[in-house]
Amino acid sequence: GEDVEQSLFLSVREGDSSVINCTYTDSSSTYLYWYKQEPGAGLQLLTYIFSNMDMKQDQRLTVLLNKKDKHLSLRIADTQTGDSAIYFCAESLMTTDSWGKLQFGAGTQVVVTP
Amino acid sequence: DGGITQSPKYLFRKEGQNVTLSCEQNLNHDAMYWYRQDPGQGLRLIYYSQIVNDFQKGDIAEGYSVSREKKESFPLTVTSAQKNPTAFYLCASNSGTALQPQHFGDGTRLSIL
Repeated sequence: GEDVEQSLFLSVREGDSSVINCTYTDSSSTYLYWYKQEPGAGLQLLTYIFSNMDMKQDQRLTVLLNKKDKHLSLRIADTQTGDSAIYFCAESLMTTDSWGKLQFGAGTQVVVTP
Repeated sequence: DGGITQSPKYLFRKEGQNVTLSCEQNLNHDAMYWYRQDPGQGLRLIYYSQIVNDFQKGDIAEGYSVSREKKESFPLTVTSAQKNPTAFYLCASNSGTALQPQHFGDGTRLSIL
């Protein structure tokens, strides 16, 4: 199957860490992506991880992957008001029929409060 | 600066009218994609093109058409057959393999008059 699920909303206080969760169902080797969307804008690629990795860190962003549970998370350290946005988890399918196809979750609205 | 340019940013369609959304990229990417975004939903794939003069239907192609006459351009036409066209449309591109991330334009918001 090709389903990516995310929680729809997260509220976090400025300076705290945010953790956004995502589950996927396809068991093929794949890339998993996190995109950020600010109001009225396109999607900005934040980071991505290949399914044979457990963790990837990039400045304030940490991606954790539990392949057994098909669970992906994005942790944002020291969350700032500029981090308020919708965050999309997406899975890239490597099968021939799904060449280059991204399967998106519905997005998590993150609201950062002072 | 390399990137993807979508135009117009806002577009209004009258009943029975076809409208065309522009997408241009100067990233030298082989593959280009069109997605539709509705509130509270993820992106859904309309059409994609892996190479010039070739394109494939995505998950929701009905009521839409595309062309790929040049590598840098992938226009999307929303036809009168698309009965619910109000949405945010996003164009993306990548170097053409499933391993490469897709990069997105800033989107076109289409509304019905």
